[in-house]
Amino acid sequence: KAGVTQTPRYLIKTRGQQVTLSCSPISGHRSVSWYQQTPGQGLQFLFEYFSETQRNKGNFPGRFSGRQFSNSRSEMNVSTLELGDSALYLCASSLVGALKNEQFFGPGTRLTVL
Amino acid sequence: GENVGLHLPTLSVQEGDNSIINCAYSNSASDYFIWYKQESGKGPQFIIDIRSNMDKRQGQRVTVLLNKTVKHLSLQIAATQPGDSAVYFCAENKSGGYQKVTFGTGTKLQVIP
Repeated sequence: KAGVTQTPRYLIKTRGQQVTLSCSPISGHRSVSWYQQTPGQGLQFLFEYFSETQRNKGNFPGRFSGRQFSNSRSEMNVSTLELGDSALYLCASSLVGALKNEQFFGPGTRLTVL
Repeated sequence: GENVGLHLPTLSVQEGDNSIINCAYSNSASDYFIWYKQESGKGPQFIIDIRSNMDKRQGQRVTVLLNKTVKHLSLQIAATQPGDSAVYFCAENKSGGYQKVTFGTGTKLQVIP
């Protein structure tokens, strides 16, 4: 079974631009979560999508948005990029069961904002 | 708000020794805890999990201990190997729906050959 894939792996943008990142979950997984990882803040939860609906959201400004498609693939968008948005963006998918919520992470997209 | 923290940012151990990585959490409502390993250039990888109705769980060379009284979690790695060198994160979650996993800051494990 293929793992979580994220594209692109690396991205360089300038301030003010916008960016869209893509995540393909493991086949059969319906939950996709997005995280931002920086050296200073560690791993921070952005949002989670399940069946095309955002179920939960972290403490990030509205410039960060996402969506999920009917095939569970998800995209994350950041508008009006700031230098502080430079980070590794991780996507994780999971089967949502009653007892086990193990998440499988993708390799991440390294975003650099100049 | 809730936070999950680690006591030691860097841990150096000799190859073959046992490693113990500690973690404190503050949300008493959390009932599901996970340890992740992250190697350089990769996303976090699930190691082992434990539910709040247990206080110990063993995997292959790893053991997780949960002390709900003091809100403490630990990961024990037996016979540490060079391939265990990575950053280890503990995370807490509430099962039953929302996937709002909260991660600690991470501990870097360095294995000395």
